[in-house]
Amino acid sequence: GQNIDQPTEMTATEGAIVQINCTYQTSGFNGLFWYQQHAGEAPTFLSYNVLDGLEEKGRFSSFLSRSKGYSYLLLKELQMKDSASYLCAVTPSFMNTGFQKLVFGTGTRLLVSP
Amino acid sequence: SQTIHQWPATLVQPVGSPLSLECTVEGTSNPNLYWYRQAAGRGLQLLFYSVGIGQISSEVPQNLSASRPQDRQFILSSKKLLLSDSGFYLCAWSATWGEEEKLFFGSGTQLSVL
Repeated sequence: GQNIDQPTEMTATEGAIVQINCTYQTSGFNGLFWYQQHAGEAPTFLSYNVLDGLEEKGRFSSFLSRSKGYSYLLLKELQMKDSASYLCAVTPSFMNTGFQKLVFGTGTRLLVSP
Repeated sequence: SQTIHQWPATLVQPVGSPLSLECTVEGTSNPNLYWYRQAAGRGLQLLFYSVGIGQISSEVPQNLSASRPQDRQFILSSKKLLLSDSGFYLCAWSATWGEEEKLFFGSGTQLSVL
């Protein structure tokens, strides 16, 4: 089966750093995605990790450890607009046609306070 | 640039009524197309995906169906809605080429079945 676990909710203060963890158990692995979703809106792509290590994109970084089935999303210099749900998703199998059969976690709702 | 359109944004339907949600993609050809549902407090669930015209794969047995009458058009339908069909429905596409293997989501349809 496929299982992805994330904390349900987190709170943090504006200007701070927050780390959102994701653990996964899937039948295979070909990449992990992080998406941001504001309430009532569509998810938007944040990051993609397929190899172990840290990927940095401005204020957001994503880390992957395939041996541990673990990833985290790191948000620095938090802003009020970062209040949203953050979805972890895994591609269990390799598809060379661009087809992505993603398995999503339930998402972590992040609340940033002043 | 590529864009994805999904409508309507919100829909309130009585139990037993039919459903038709439409999604179109512009600026790309032969995309992979997807229908997801997001129920309250749950992760995104893949309902259907399509790799080409007339080619539909169903992930979850249910009273919903999907069709792809044209290359960039994807339709989600039901003959008789159930209460459990309520949720946030998202259409998405991914490229069948290129290195950015990620999903692009439409703006979503909030469906309430009463």
